[in-house]
Amino acid sequence: KAGVTQTPRYLIKTRGQQVTLSCSPISGHRSVSWYQQTPGQGLQFLFEYFSETQRNKGNFPGRFSGRQFSNSRSEMNVSTLELGDSALYLCASSSGGRTGELFFGEGSRLTVL
Amino acid sequence: QQQVKQSPQSLIVQKGGISIINCAYENTAFDYFPWYQQFPGKGPALLIAIRPDVSEKKEGRFTISFNKSAKQFSLHIMDSQPGDSATYFCAASLIQGAQKLVFGQGTRLTINP
Repeated sequence: KAGVTQTPRYLIKTRGQQVTLSCSPISGHRSVSWYQQTPGQGLQFLFEYFSETQRNKGNFPGRFSGRQFSNSRSEMNVSTLELGDSALYLCASSSGGRTGELFFGEGSRLTVL
Repeated sequence: QQQVKQSPQSLIVQKGGISIINCAYENTAFDYFPWYQQFPGKGPALLIAIRPDVSEKKEGRFTISFNKSAKQFSLHIMDSQPGDSATYFCAASLIQGAQKLVFGQGTRLTINP
């Protein structure tokens, strides 16, 4: 069974640009969550999508957005990039039920110059 | 009130020893407490999880101890091995939002051979 696939794995952007990251969840999983990981703030929840609807949202500004497609694949977008957005962005998939187990991808490492 | 505090930040243990990592939380509504293990260049992976209706859960060499009244939980790794060297994160969530995890800051564990 294939794991969670995130693309691209690495990318470099400059301040003010926007970026789109993609996540393909484990087959059959309907929930996709996004987390930001930085050395200073650790792992922070961005948002969760379930069956194409945002079900939960973290405390990030509106520059961070996401969506989920009918095949459960998800994208997140960050507009007007800031230096502080440099981070590892992790996608996690789950069945969406009450077990809570998240299966993380290897992440997309974003560097903002 | 949404924080999960984790200690120590780093830990060095001799092979065969016991590794102990502690976490404390504030929000008494949390009812799902997982531990994740992360190796360099990889996403976190679920190690073991506990619900507050039990005080201890053991899976192989890994044990979670849970103290509901003190709002604390800990991970014990028995007979620690060099392959256990990784970063460990405790987390907490509400069961109805199990995908929205609040993570501790992480503990970098090194097992010396």
